[in-house]
Amino acid sequence: SAVISQKPSRDICQRGTSLTIQCQVDSQVTMMFWYRQQPGQSLTLIATANQGSEATYESGFVIDKFPISRPNLTFSTLTVSNMSPEDSSIYLCSVDFPGTGHTEAFFGQGTRLTVV
Amino acid sequence: RKEVEQDPGPFNVPEGATVAFNCTYSNSASQSFFWYRQDCRKEPKLLMSVYSSGNEDGRFTAQLNRASQYISLLIRDSKLSDSATYLCVVNGGGSYIPTFGRGTSLIVHP
Repeated sequence: SAVISQKPSRDICQRGTSLTIQCQVDSQVTMMFWYRQQPGQSLTLIATANQGSEATYESGFVIDKFPISRPNLTFSTLTVSNMSPEDSSIYLCSVDFPGTGHTEAFFGQGTRLTVV
Repeated sequence: RKEVEQDPGPFNVPEGATVAFNCTYSNSASQSFFWYRQDCRKEPKLLMSVYSSGNEDGRFTAQLNRASQYISLLIRDSKLSDSATYLCVVNGGGSYIPTFGRGTSLIVHP
């Protein structure tokens, strides 16, 4: 299994500011994923973070708004830039790790962001 | 059509009841199927994988029907602690990235 430490766990931010979320994994992993989960909604993938290359963004998400760093195989950051109230959400980092007969997704504890 | 669709919730059941959730997926090439549980204000955690032959883990039974492209989760003898959101997750079919359903909320009351 994988243990993921994500911080901050929550924050309240002023619109127009930026917040950087950190994710630390206790094992080396090739890919790390960043998701957003809005109230009552499912997880939406923002981007895939690969070590040594630029992150791959999903439709509707751009690097200027959600810059990602992946300096090594155990760490990644997601920045939510120039925040607006619409960015209020839970942000989750995730890794895939081999299980018994399958690959299991493990998640950080999530960052609950409120933009005022 | 959404890639993964789940029963709308919430399901509100008494303790001891049996409850079933269904989930349909659109990509017929999908290869891996899971049920995750997400407690309020917590991250999702794997509940069980879903195999073609079906699988059972205590009070929980998961079934896969590839022909009709749906997955089910059956919970017997519901406990108060089963109250949570259950996420259907589908993987494979040309993508290594799992696709999540929006979740079904279960509330078990005394």
